[in-house]
Amino acid sequence: EAGVAQSPRYKIIEKRQSVAFWCNPISGHATLYWYQQILGQGPKLLIQFQNNGVVDDSQLPKDRFSAERLKGVDSTLKIQPAKLEDSAVYLCASSPPGLAGETQYFGPGTRLLVL
Amino acid sequence: KQEVTQIPAALSVPEGENLVLNCSFTDSAIYNLQWFRQDPGKGLTSLLLIQSSQREQTSGRLNASLDKSSGRSTLYIAASQPGDSATYLCAVRTGAQKLVFGQGTRLTINP
Repeated sequence: EAGVAQSPRYKIIEKRQSVAFWCNPISGHATLYWYQQILGQGPKLLIQFQNNGVVDDSQLPKDRFSAERLKGVDSTLKIQPAKLEDSAVYLCASSPPGLAGETQYFGPGTRLLVL
Repeated sequence: KQEVTQIPAALSVPEGENLVLNCSFTDSAIYNLQWFRQDPGKGLTSLLLIQSSQREQTSGRLNASLDKSSGRSTLYIAASQPGDSATYLCAVRTGAQKLVFGQGTRLTINP
């Protein structure tokens, strides 16, 4: 079974530029999550999708971050404009429906450096 | 607001030792608690999941305990090996599949 795919793996941009990350969850997984992990900290949930609807985006900085999940499969996370404090690893995770959804499966992450 | 704390932030031990990692959380109203492993440049891998009604879970050399009333969990690693070197994260599920993570313990096992 293929895991959660993310691209790009690394990105370096200057502040005020825009950047987008892509995530392809495990086939059949209804729930998709985006996390931000700043160096030395645990992941923080940015947004959670159930199919193509948003379940929780309470910690998403909506003035600069946006996310979408087209057709309930792939998802993109965008930052516009980026700030220095956005430097972090952005992790995508997915979970299957039902009780099996107890466990989330994580992708390798996209490491973003904002200069 | 749920907060999760892990102590110590870093730990270095010689190979073969048994060790304990600690996790505490402020709100006992949790659905479950999970321990994850994170290797450099890679995503998180779930190690053990303890439901709120359970006291412990075991997998191989790993044993995790949960004391919900006191807001504490421990991860016990027996007979540590260099391959166990990684960052270990605990996370509690508060509802709607939302996970709140601790900051992690960076573990180094010295050969």
